Amino acid sequence: KNEVEQSPQNLTAQEGEFITINCSYSVGISALHWLQQHPGGGIVSLFMLSSGKKKHGRLIATINIQEKHSSLHITASHPRDSAVYICAVTSGPGNQFYFGTGTSLTVIP
Amino acid sequence: NAGVTQTPKFQVLKTGQSMTLQCAQDMNHNSMYWYRQDPGMGLRLIYYSASEGTTDKGEVPNGYNVSRLNKREFSLRLESAAPSQTSVYFCASRGLGTGSLVVHFGNGTRLTVT
Repeated sequence: KNEVEQSPQNLTAQEGEFITINCSYSVGISALHWLQQHPGGGIVSLFMLSSGKKKHGRLIATINIQEKHSSLHITASHPRDSAVYICAVTSGPGNQFYFGTGTSLTVIP
Repeated sequence: NAGVTQTPKFQVLKTGQSMTLQCAQDMNHNSMYWYRQDPGMGLRLIYYSASEGTTDKGEVPNGYNVSRLNKREFSLRLESAAPSQTSVYFCASRGLGTGSLVVHFGNGTRLTVT
């Protein structure tokens, strides 16, 4: 049973395209996280949100608590956005992390 | 301010060999974690330490041991490495209070067991 499901698993886009990655979860959460992992690299936190919407540069994250769904949008995509994007939630009394399997994004020039 | 530092970055072991992965954080965080990442699977928790002096098993603890040496350092030991332990290992930490839900990861250790 996967508490966090992401789609698509793989995504290829042309530079400049608008990209959406989706995340659904099945547990009650205290927060939802979007993480970024570049090939061969470490993992960095992009967003943590518990309601509404957050924006950082060309990245926008939204969450719908009632529907248990979040989206990560990238506007005007660029090859440097190529990475794996991981959705995670914190849940339970210890705020345990549950991770999705990631979406591998490739942006072609 | 280095964040979370893991060593080594790469390691190749033969079956049966032992090694220790080191992790240190300089953010005064209470909670520290060891995860493994395998293709097609999400990050899986091996062990965690909610505070100095405590450690608990995660989802996949078999074949591993940990030590929370002090508040800064949390090491992961493979006593007798097996090919199934070939993976990328990430250490992470998290604090208390405002922003405590934000997790900080190290850059990973890529381990191959032959």
